[in-house]
Amino acid sequence: DQQVKQNSPSLSVQEGRISILNCDYTNSMFDYFLWYKKYPAEGPTFLISISSIKDKNEDGRFTVFLNKSAKHLSLHIVPSQPGDSAVYFCAASGGLYSGGGADGLTFGKGTHLIIQP
Amino acid sequence: DAGVTQSPTHLIKTRGQQVTLRCSPKSGHDTVSWYQQALGQGPQFIFQYYEEEERQRGNFPDRFSGHQFPNYSSELNVNALLLGDSALYLCASSLRFSNQPQHFGDGTRLSIL
Repeated sequence: DQQVKQNSPSLSVQEGRISILNCDYTNSMFDYFLWYKKYPAEGPTFLISISSIKDKNEDGRFTVFLNKSAKHLSLHIVPSQPGDSAVYFCAASGGLYSGGGADGLTFGKGTHLIIQP
Repeated sequence: DAGVTQSPTHLIKTRGQQVTLRCSPKSGHDTVSWYQQALGQGPQFIFQYYEEEERQRGNFPDRFSGHQFPNYSSELNVNALLLGDSALYLCASSLRFSNQPQHFGDGTRLSIL
């Protein structure tokens, strides 16, 4: 049973437009959520995170929204750039400490974002 | 400032053999987690080490074991290799009592023939 689901295996967006990546989770014990970006032949790179006590977190072009009642989060990238083409993983943790540093992360299967010129 | 480093980058083994993968954490980090990423899947948590002890474990059999050394580096050992163990093995490090995320290495690609 997948506790973190990314239902879109791929997403194609035009350069300059908004990219919206979605993630759903089923485990109510998750209280910290992270997005990682992965290029081929490289490890995942941390992008942005959000604690369950918030509903929005922004960092430059990236914004993550959390809807706890729906157990849903989304990552918005505005404007989308060619370098954003990568696989994006949603991850969740729930445990002793916030930040995800002290807990094993549960990942979704990823969404391959393709930015069209 | 060196990030998380893993060795080797690629490895080919045959069924039944044993393998050891190595990880050096990012400077300043004290916790190491290991993940297995099969083709087309997200990383799956294997286990986490802190203060040289296994602190948390995912749903992996006892064939998967690990170790953490006093300098915080870590090893992942897999015994009696199966074809299904073919995957990318990722190491992540973190500072346990902080709100900072885990940092990942580039992984070791393990192929079982």
